Amino acid sequence: DIQMTQSPSLLSASVGDRVTINCKASQNINKYLNWYQQKLGEAPKLLIYNTNNLQTGIPSRFSGSGSGTDYTLTISSLQPEDFGTYFCFQHNSWPTFGSGTKLEIK
Amino acid sequence: QVQLKESGPGLVQPSQTLSLTCTVSGLSLTSNSVSWIRQPPGKGLEWMGVIWSNGGTDYNSAIKSRLSISRDTSKSQVFLKMNSLQTEDTAMYFCARRVGDYWGQGVMVTVSS
Repeated sequence: DIQMTQSPSLLSASVGDRVTINCKASQNINKYLNWYQQKLGEAPKLLIYNTNNLQTGIPSRFSGSGSGTDYTLTISSLQPEDFGTYFCFQHNSWPTFGSGTKLEIK
Repeated sequence: QVQLKESGPGLVQPSQTLSLTCTVSGLSLTSNSVSWIRQPPGKGLEWMGVIWSNGGTDYNSAIKSRLSISRDTSKSQVFLKMNSLQTEDTAMYFCARRVGDYWGQGVMVTVSS
């Protein structure tokens, strides 16, 4: 199985900050990488699919980049509603998730 | 509008079998693959298995011996059955389209006597 190493596991940032979260795959996943936000008690919400495609209805402050084994989610200007846990997910082969990044607003 | 909705018992006794249903609308199961994913309280997400659009299945090797996924295309439903449940199977269970774009709201399953 492809292992997804996500970092950092905890992130504390202020409103307006630029935030980046990283995922590294154990092998090439051909850009089949999604990013999700999850809030307590809710299903994961798709933000970005296939590396850099913004899901409908998601604010443009969210963006994704990467290729091969290295991928990044960027929030250009953090908003109060952006708190939560963020997961990466690869679906190039047997699907696997990153371990999550808990984003706290200072 | 695409919707997936999980249903099933909230409480299962240890060693018993869990049966969950995912009812799908807005998607054809004969052209879409559906997966089951679970998340123990406070922990990360685990991909359990998938039923492909052609009806074939694949399972997470860690739980393969206990898991079965099937479907009824006429009712647009996907089923999960997992036997020999233990307390560590306590989790929120989600169904989702295989590529991860559409998810159900999840159903919480507690394994306890």
